[in-house]
Amino acid sequence: QSVLTQPPSVSAAPGQKVTISCSGSSSNVGNNYVSWYQHLPGTAPKLLIYDNNKRPSGIPDRFSGSKSGTSATLDITGLQTGDEAEYYCGTWDTSLSAEVFGGGTKVTVL
Amino acid sequence: QVQLQESGPGLVKPSETLSLTCTVSGGSISSGGYYWSWIRQHPGKGLEWIGYIYYRGNRYYNPSLKSRVAISVDTSEIHFSLTLTSVTAADTAVYYCARGQPNSDSSVSFDPWGQGTLVTVSS
Repeated sequence: QSVLTQPPSVSAAPGQKVTISCSGSSSNVGNNYVSWYQHLPGTAPKLLIYDNNKRPSGIPDRFSGSKSGTSATLDITGLQTGDEAEYYCGTWDTSLSAEVFGGGTKVTVL
Repeated sequence: QVQLQESGPGLVKPSETLSLTCTVSGGSISSGGYYWSWIRQHPGKGLEWIGYIYYRGNRYYNPSLKSRVAISVDTSEIHFSLTLTSVTAADTAVYYCARGQPNSDSSVSFDPWGQGTLVTVSS
């Protein structure tokens, strides 16, 4: 059981948009910055978003993050087949004194 | 650019000690304010943070693993290691090393990551 809650899967057609939610509490998402990661099987996970909404160099602006209260969101627009992957949110949990992650969301391009 | 690569035994017997090493290329562990980290993923499950060592030596561990975990940096400063004692089948997972960068608050974002190494605990 992950501390942060994500939907198990989302899907959309190429070119469309998907939204992935990450729900937590005041001890984690509500009071700390959220990061998002993309993970293709057999490869190294990749940082997509940090500080809730900032993109590292090289990450296309099709990926965007936001946060409101105790929930964070990752939007992927202009969906491509190469975006099929597992996506994870992560942040610090002040009560647990630990970095915590969501259970992951599998994105399927129809 | 910095790259990380995990290495170590893929099979460990129950009750024994799991030891993994992460080799850092393209940079040095002492070169900046990063958190050198270990994260694992149980089969079919999400990510679990194990702990990290700050470049100045402070160590932070997941409370759920703290009694069994140690992370250290070797004198070469291009390797850091994970030791997990008294392993059980529940420690079977893919183990990743990663560089943690402080966010604008107390959280850390992890980038880059190694490819991961599967460690199976079995007799």
